[in-house]
Amino acid sequence: GAVVSQHPSWVICKSGTSVKIECRSLDFQATTMFWYRQFPKQSLMLMATSNEGSKATYEQGVEKDKFLINHASLTLSTLTVTSAHPEDSSFYICSAREGGPRSANSPLHFGNGTRLTVT
Amino acid sequence: AQSVTQLDSQVPVFEEAPVELRCNYSSSVSVYLFWYVQYPNQGLQLLLKYLSGSTLVKGINGFEAEFNKSQTSFHLRKPSVHISDTAEYFCAVSVPNTDKLIFGTGTRLQVFP
Repeated sequence: GAVVSQHPSWVICKSGTSVKIECRSLDFQATTMFWYRQFPKQSLMLMATSNEGSKATYEQGVEKDKFLINHASLTLSTLTVTSAHPEDSSFYICSAREGGPRSANSPLHFGNGTRLTVT
Repeated sequence: AQSVTQLDSQVPVFEEAPVELRCNYSSSVSVYLFWYVQYPNQGLQLLLKYLSGSTLVKGINGFEAEFNKSQTSFHLRKPSVHISDTAEYFCAVSVPNTDKLIFGTGTRLQVFP
């Protein structure tokens, strides 16, 4: 089946530094990828929709200058947490949908997540 | 706007017992409904989905769910659970005309021997 690879699986960084998380669709092309944030024992909160070849669409309340998203190819999207602070510590999950845009009934495949800890 | 409510944050159950995880949704238009499972420190795996047609949907690992439009519910059931079913379960609804999913707050299923 379709696989979404997310890297790294965990990262520890110092406050003030930047961290890049990669999300790759391994055997399918994804024009759209999604980035979620999950706090302990809570649900997934959609942060942004990453669109190949264009700017990401951010959800209300998400700082676009802090969470930089780049979707440079049909198989790769990256999330960069800039000037990370301890409150950015969380579990970040990406997902990618097979098929073209607005294909809500097409399967949505999730990466295994990245545990970010900012000290 | 769409919303999803999972009424139970935790459901403890003994092995081989039946289980039902409740999910209610709110939407003024037709939506697609999903159940996902999340094992510790992992992403989400699709259990099953309702798009249209038969209201009883069968998924992987012996799970099934029934779409009830009048009650705006999509409860997940399994007749006999295993220890390996211990995980977090999320109900989700699609946002019409977008690629987005709105997730419920999740239900922690804990299966005891």
